[in-house]
Amino acid sequence: EAGVAQSPRYKIIEKRQSVAFWCNPISGHATLYWYQQILGQGPKLLIQFQNNGVVDDSQLPKDRFSAERLKGVDSTLKIQPAKLEDSAVYLCASSLVQGPDTQYFGPGTRLTVL
Amino acid sequence: AQTVTQSQPEMSVQEAETVTLSCTYDTSENNYYLFWYKQPPSRQMILVIRQEAYKQQNATENRFSVNFQKAAKSFSLKISDSQLGDTAMYFCAFIQSQFYFGTGTSLTVIP
Repeated sequence: EAGVAQSPRYKIIEKRQSVAFWCNPISGHATLYWYQQILGQGPKLLIQFQNNGVVDDSQLPKDRFSAERLKGVDSTLKIQPAKLEDSAVYLCASSLVQGPDTQYFGPGTRLTVL
Repeated sequence: AQTVTQSQPEMSVQEAETVTLSCTYDTSENNYYLFWYKQPPSRQMILVIRQEAYKQQNATENRFSVNFQKAAKSFSLKISDSQLGDTAMYFCAFIQSQFYFGTGTSLTVIP
């Protein structure tokens, strides 16, 4: 069974530029999560999708971050414009069902904003 | 609000020895789930073990076991017969309606 795929693995941009991350969850997983993990901290949930609908985006900085999962499979997370404090690893995870189900994580995208 | 606290930022253990990582959490809910995730230097997060709050029996997975104390809101992870491959960050996580992660414990297994 293929795992959660993410690309790119690394990205370096300058502040005020835009960046997009892509995630392909495990086949059949209805729930998809985006996390931000700042160095030395645990992952913080940014947004949760159930199929193509948003379940929770309460911690997503909506003035600069956006995410979509149009067909209920792949998802993209965008930052526009980026700030220095956005430097982090962005993790995508998926689970079979919503709720207390095991989440499977992708390798993450390490973003550096200069 | 739900919070997860891992009070040990770093720990080390000799190979083949046993180590316990601590985790406490705060919730007013009665039904929830707890997890330990491992994040090796390659950064892919992997599930180690999970515990349902309604179960009194502590979960075990081979060399990994938990000590779940619901009243004390404590969820520690015991790793027996530590191996070099156990070197990683370990995150305790709690879910009721949303996942909350602790700040992690960096475990180093010393040969």
